[in-house]
Amino acid sequence: EAGVAQSPRYKIIEKRQSVAFWCNPISGHATLYWYQQILGQGPKLLIQFQNNGVVDDSQLPKDRFSAERLKGVDSTLKIQPAKLEDSAVYLCASRSRGRDGHEQYFGPGTRLTVT
Amino acid sequence: AQKITQTQPGMFVQEKEAVTLDCTYDTSDQSYGLFWYKQPSSGEMIFLIYQGSYDEQNATEGRYSLNFQKARKSANLVISASQLGDSAMYFCAMREGLPSNTGKLIFGQGTTLQVKP
Repeated sequence: EAGVAQSPRYKIIEKRQSVAFWCNPISGHATLYWYQQILGQGPKLLIQFQNNGVVDDSQLPKDRFSAERLKGVDSTLKIQPAKLEDSAVYLCASRSRGRDGHEQYFGPGTRLTVT
Repeated sequence: AQKITQTQPGMFVQEKEAVTLDCTYDTSDQSYGLFWYKQPSSGEMIFLIYQGSYDEQNATEGRYSLNFQKARKSANLVISASQLGDSAMYFCAMREGLPSNTGKLIFGQGTTLQVKP
């Protein structure tokens, strides 16, 4: 089966600009996650969707970050305006609801550099 | 609060030898899952192995095994017969709740493993 797709793979923007990332999860996966991974650290959850509803966005900086998952499939994550500290890799993951396998499947990530 | 600690920032191992990557965790839940992921320089997170808190046997997946010591709250990853392709960053992660719980993963800081020829 096809894996989690993300685009773009790389993005360079100046501070105060806006940027959007796109994620297409594995077909049939109800749960979608966006993680932020700052260089040298482990990923940290930004937001979790179950179908098209938000389950957990407690660590999402809502003054600048927004995310949506229309129709419970694809998702976009937006940053507006970007700050220098937003430089990181943004990882999208998905998981099948109630699946035995337990694991989350990750996409290749989008590496964002804010200058 | 749940927490994952990986105390080894970097490790070296000779090709074909075994290596152990340390992971300790902290949680007040009785039900939880422990995961190891591999992250090569390409950036993708690759699932390696899973251990449930109620699993009595240590998990194994090919050359990977998880040394689960519940009383000590440790979940060390053992890689046998290291290969050059094992050079990567390795993350330990935890998810609280039952296996059907789709909640977030909490990750450690990671350990960089370099395999020497």
